[in-house]
Amino acid sequence: DVKVTQSSRYLVKRTGEKVFLECVQDMDHENMFWYRQDPGLGLRLIYFSYDVKMKEKGDIPEGYSVSREKKERFSLILESASTNQTSMYLCASIPGLAGDNEQFFGPGTRLTVL
Amino acid sequence: SQKIEQNSEALNIQEGKTATLTCNYTNYSPAYLQWYRQDPGRGPVFLLLIRENEKEKRKERLKVTFDTTLKQSLFHITASQPADSATYLCALDGGGSQGNLIFGKGTKLSVKP
Repeated sequence: DVKVTQSSRYLVKRTGEKVFLECVQDMDHENMFWYRQDPGLGLRLIYFSYDVKMKEKGDIPEGYSVSREKKERFSLILESASTNQTSMYLCASIPGLAGDNEQFFGPGTRLTVL
Repeated sequence: SQKIEQNSEALNIQEGKTATLTCNYTNYSPAYLQWYRQDPGRGPVFLLLIRENEKEKRKERLKVTFDTTLKQSLFHITASQPADSATYLCALDGGGSQGNLIFGKGTKLSVKP
């Protein structure tokens, strides 16, 4: 079974803090994704990565950066957390480079920025 | 840019009936379309994928149709059960080769016993 794990289920941080969200997948997937999910807005893509050290901006990259030093791990970084970054963050991965694979999601991290 | 709409935010039906959820898109025709189920506080789980050259796909009590002329996909759950209550997300290929998806906002289905 593919497993995608995220470092925390719930996280509370203060405005201005640097926040790291970690995602690990155990099936040697090439592509990994970070989304945020907000009521009424659905899932929105922040960043994705198709190889180690490779990254591409999604639809809403402002205020975020990412790191992929190892194939199995994809980190989302909030350089200076703000209250409008309070959200549910979801990581996903897919095998191979073919585009039509199902995405495997982690359980999500609910981040609250005070 | 591609827009995707799931027509109902919420759908309430009686147990045993067929639930039908709608997904409409504008702009380019996607090469494929996927449906996911999401339970509260959890990540989405993949259900079905249908490609542009396929009219219909089935999996147990689930059926998906894809009409590229109408730019619409319908998702059916037959003989619905309270355990089918969840939010269902439609997702289209994002037009790139890296597996990007564009997600709809979801339809929350409630099946009453």
